[in-house]
Amino acid sequence: AQSVTQPDIHITVSEGASLELRCNYSYGATPYLFWYVQSPGQGLQLLLKYFSGDTLVQGIKGFEAEFKRSQSSFNLRKPSVHWSDAAEYFCAVVPDSGNTPLVFGKGTRLSVIA
Amino acid sequence: DVKVTQSSRYLVKRTGEKVFLECVQDMDHENMFWYRQDPGLGLRLIYFSYDVKMKEKGDIPEGYSVSREKKERFSLILESASTNQTSMYLCATLDTTLTYEQYFGPGTRLTVT
Repeated sequence: AQSVTQPDIHITVSEGASLELRCNYSYGATPYLFWYVQSPGQGLQLLLKYFSGDTLVQGIKGFEAEFKRSQSSFNLRKPSVHWSDAAEYFCAVVPDSGNTPLVFGKGTRLSVIA
Repeated sequence: DVKVTQSSRYLVKRTGEKVFLECVQDMDHENMFWYRQDPGLGLRLIYFSYDVKMKEKGDIPEGYSVSREKKERFSLILESASTNQTSMYLCATLDTTLTYEQYFGPGTRLTVT
C-alpha cells in the first residue's frame, strides 16, 4: 500500500547536537514533500517543502531536508538542536503532485536534553 | 496573515450527543479538510471538500459527516458521539494557487464521556 513512513517514533538528542529525522514514501511518481512541526499545545506549522529542482531545501528555524529519489526519502536535518525544537515532527506527501490531500506520516517526537 | 479558526479549543460531550465542530478560514481557499490526530497514529483524514456543497470521504469517515454551505466555513458533525471519537480534531485549508501549503487551525480537543 502507498504510504509515508517515519521509522522513529521518539528521538532524544542533547542540546547542540545534530539531528536527522527520517521519512520514506512509497509512491511511484515524485510527489510533493513537506515537513511540519507541532509544538506542545500548538497547531501544525510548515517547516519546508519540496516540489522540484534543487534536492536540498532550506526551511525555517534552521532546518533543511534532502530529497533522494533513489531512496524515496526526504530526511529532515538540523546541525545544532535547541531546546525549543522539542516537538512532534510530521512528514507529509501529496501523492499525485496535484489536487489531492496530504498524506501524513505518524510523526516523530523529539525530546531535547541539556 | 493566514487564518484558520476553530470554534472551540476544548469540548466535553456525552455519549450519544450530536456534536458540531466549526472551522472558518479567511483565505478564500477552495479546499478544506478535517483530520483527527491520535498519539502514535499521526493525522488521519476524515473528510475534505473541494468547493461549496462538495465533499469527499477521507480515510476514516465512519461516524462523521460534514457540511460546507459557504466557502469559508467547513463543519464536522458527529451524529452520535462515542467514546472512541475522543481525539484532537484539526481543520486545514490548502492553497492550490501559489504555495500548495496546508494551513491548520489550532485544533479542538474533544472528550466524549
